[in-house]
Amino acid sequence: AQKITQTQPGMFVQEKEAVTLDCTYDTSDPSYGLFWYKQPSSGEMIFLIYQGSYDQQNATEGRYSLNFQKARKSANLVISASQLGDSAMYFCAMREANQFYFGTGTSLTVIP
Amino acid sequence: EPEVTQTPSHQVTQMGQEVILRCVPISNHLYFYWYRQILGQKVEFLVSFYNNEISEKSEIFDDQFSVERPDGSNFTLKIRSTKLEDSAMYFCASSTPLAGWNEQFFGPGTRLTVL
Repeated sequence: AQKITQTQPGMFVQEKEAVTLDCTYDTSDPSYGLFWYKQPSSGEMIFLIYQGSYDQQNATEGRYSLNFQKARKSANLVISASQLGDSAMYFCAMREANQFYFGTGTSLTVIP
Repeated sequence: EPEVTQTPSHQVTQMGQEVILRCVPISNHLYFYWYRQILGQKVEFLVSFYNNEISEKSEIFDDQFSVERPDGSNFTLKIRSTKLEDSAMYFCASSTPLAGWNEQFFGPGTRLTVL
């Protein structure tokens, strides 16, 4: 089974609207961490947000928030007030036992 | 702002040759990582390095690969006897307890092309 599943290969959102990028994960380890990274067309990887498995509250970083639903094993990224510069690939990742697993990514396009 | 740097930005090599990819992590960072991303595919974890030794490695990181911190600043990935399927973007990353360990700062990557 895939450790990280991102079912949306491509998403479109209108500028200034909010968008949710889906991520589900598979682990039996009670201790794990979930990450989201942004990869613009220039290729660099940019850390966005982190959620620990024991964190009680959903992580937020500016316009990014992580909708963590532990029972459903989902860790969706919510981007509020989308900007043109948000157009990029977005990868969900998990740290489990100090190994890191990435999803296949979602390509987000923000439409003016 | 401090950043992770990687050299070269693009390396072309013949199959069977050895390559060394170089990274300079952020100076006060303590954990170092190598990842690779085959073109158009997901990022894959290779190895993490802490306190001058490998902390964790993935199944991909076999005897063909090795890492070294030869001095106080560089962190290298050596690929012995490169294969065509080693062609990928290789990212170095580093993290620090001051940022809670979890925020990994990535370098710009080295694109390795094996001919």
